[in-house]
Amino acid sequence: RKEVEQDPGPFNVPEGATVAFNCTYSNSASQSFFWYRQDCRKEPKLLMSVYSSGNEDGRFTAQLNRASQYISLLIRDSKLSDSATYLCVVNMESGGSYIPTFGRGTSLIVHP
Amino acid sequence: NAGVMQNPRHLVRRRGQEARLRCSPMKGHSHVYWYRQLPEEGLKFMVYLQKENIIDESGMPKERFSAEFPKEGPSILRIQQVVRGDSAAYFCASSQGTGGAGQPQHFGDGTRLSIL
Repeated sequence: RKEVEQDPGPFNVPEGATVAFNCTYSNSASQSFFWYRQDCRKEPKLLMSVYSSGNEDGRFTAQLNRASQYISLLIRDSKLSDSATYLCVVNMESGGSYIPTFGRGTSLIVHP
Repeated sequence: NAGVMQNPRHLVRRRGQEARLRCSPMKGHSHVYWYRQLPEEGLKFMVYLQKENIIDESGMPKERFSAEFPKEGPSILRIQQVVRGDSAAYFCASSQGTGGAGQPQHFGDGTRLSIL
């Protein structure tokens, strides 16, 4: 079983749509959680941290469900510029340290 | 530029040569991570270092690969006797604190390694 799993997509949505991604993780001792965005052949960029209470940043909302071991990202009013791969990151305990573990990413394509 | 600096951006080597990839973390960051990304694949963790210490190298291939983060200077990922399968993008990230402290990572632009 993969440690961090994401639906690779692609999610193909029109501008203005609302789209949601989920990410599941296997290690219940995981600490912090993040969503990153990666554009083609570029470096990952931090989108937002994910807190147990949920957090919102403009059109983006992230949620954490520790009981079911998943995190989610909701994007409202999609823009063309939102097209990218969205990476789920979970800091997992490994040998006494916490290692950021990436999912393979979910591809989003927003079309006119 | 106060961000994570990686160089070179592109590196071409012939099979059997050595590749050295450098990473200077963000100012104030003492934790460095190296990842490899193959085309159409996700990021694979390789190694986690703090100054002069390797904390976790569970993702490093057992042979030919090594990493260091000396007291002075950048972190170095070294690949000896490169093979075609080493062709990939290598990303370095740094953070201010440990992963358990909830500190996010910040990434450099990456080094694209091509093996002829």
